[in-house]
Amino acid sequence: EAQVTQNPRYLITVTGKKLTVTCSQNMNHEYMSWYRQDPGLGLRQIYYSMNVEVTDKGDVPEGYKVSRKEKRNFPLILESPSPNQTSLYFCASSSDRVRNEQFFGPGTRLTVL
Amino acid sequence: AQKVTQAQTEISVVEKEDVTLDCVYETRDTTYYLFWYKQPPSGELVFLIRRNSFDEQNEISGRYSWNFQKSTSSFNFTITASQVVDSAVYFCALLTGTASKLTFGTGTRLQVTL
Repeated sequence: EAQVTQNPRYLITVTGKKLTVTCSQNMNHEYMSWYRQDPGLGLRQIYYSMNVEVTDKGDVPEGYKVSRKEKRNFPLILESPSPNQTSLYFCASSSDRVRNEQFFGPGTRLTVL
Repeated sequence: AQKVTQAQTEISVVEKEDVTLDCVYETRDTTYYLFWYKQPPSGELVFLIRRNSFDEQNEISGRYSWNFQKSTSSFNFTITASQVVDSAVYFCALLTGTASKLTFGTGTRLQVTL
């Protein structure tokens, strides 16, 4: 089954404790992206990757890192989480960043205390 | 810069009513794509439709229909004979050839009651 998976689905952590949210897709998609969803703000892009070893900042990259060492994986790293990073995070992938729909993962709800 | 405006924050209707969700977009690109996504209470994002800027044909899929008008930069979504299962947050999104991301609107929460 074609899908985008994210782990963990739910996470409660404390300020400053490094964490990684994994994202994996099995569709051989080149393009992957991370979004955060906050009430009243819709979804905003954090980082995106056009292919392996090619990443770039989106609208709200501060406080986040990403890496793309393999085509299928695109982890989101919070080196020192803060309460304002409490949000719902979505990973997405697509075979063509322009023409095709982006497939979204199930979301990761992160709470930083 | 790209922008998507969904002016309706929340809409409440009674089952079987028709409801239209508005979406207005801004872009200087001549090639772009518009999307609608549904986010049910369970939280996942469900793709509903994609439309490119060169295709202004309206589309109907069951109880769903979309009206794309370039003259008013709008891509409105109508649900006919709404059902309780349509209760969700609906997002309109824009992607252009020069951008690397979907620009989302802030979403419209639709509540359908019996």
